[in-house]
Amino acid sequence: GAGVSQSPRYKVAKRGQDVALRCDPISGHVSLFWYQQALGQGPEFLTYFQNEAQLDKSGLPSDRFFAERPEGSVSTLKIQRTQQEDSAVYLCASTPPRGGYEQFFGPGTRLTVL
Amino acid sequence: GQQVMQIPQYQHVQEGEDFTTYCNSSTTLSNIQWYKQRPGGHPVFLIQLVKSGEVKKQKRLTFQFGEAKKNSSLHITATQTTDVGTYFCAGITGNQFYFGTGTSLTVIP
Repeated sequence: GAGVSQSPRYKVAKRGQDVALRCDPISGHVSLFWYQQALGQGPEFLTYFQNEAQLDKSGLPSDRFFAERPEGSVSTLKIQRTQQEDSAVYLCASTPPRGGYEQFFGPGTRLTVL
Repeated sequence: GQQVMQIPQYQHVQEGEDFTTYCNSSTTLSNIQWYKQRPGGHPVFLIQLVKSGEVKKQKRLTFQFGEAKKNSSLHITATQTTDVGTYFCAGITGNQFYFGTGTSLTVIP
């Protein structure tokens, strides 16, 4: 079956622009996570959804970052007024509804802010 | 706050040599997972450890969870070029995953 997909795969934005990053989790996966991965670093937690409920957003670095999952499937991470320090790969992961916490990651969106 | 550190940051080995990466958490973890990320790729789940002192094997890979559930290790026996990549541990507390800093493995043929 299809894995987690993300779009776009690459995004170049001018500083100050708004961007929207999309994640399509594996069908039936209840939990969805967003991570930010800077070059040479491990993924850093941003936010977590269970169905449409955003249960944890403690990792969002500022109020310029906003995530939603209105129907409990597709999720969008929005970054307003992008800054150069927002340049990173944004990874989305989903987990099956039962069993272990194995995370299935998407390919990521590489955001470059000029 | 929660921190998960890994050592070493980089490791170069000759093909056939063994490799070990160590993961240490500042707090006690519920579970720990290990992921592998190939260059340009995304993290791929390898294994989850749950119990104190647990040891699991996957072919040439041996994973261990410390007695205090604050540290873990991944050991690869007789490395192959296909083992190249960055290995991350991820400590789990509640619904949060705390990824380590990663160990980048290079295997020299």
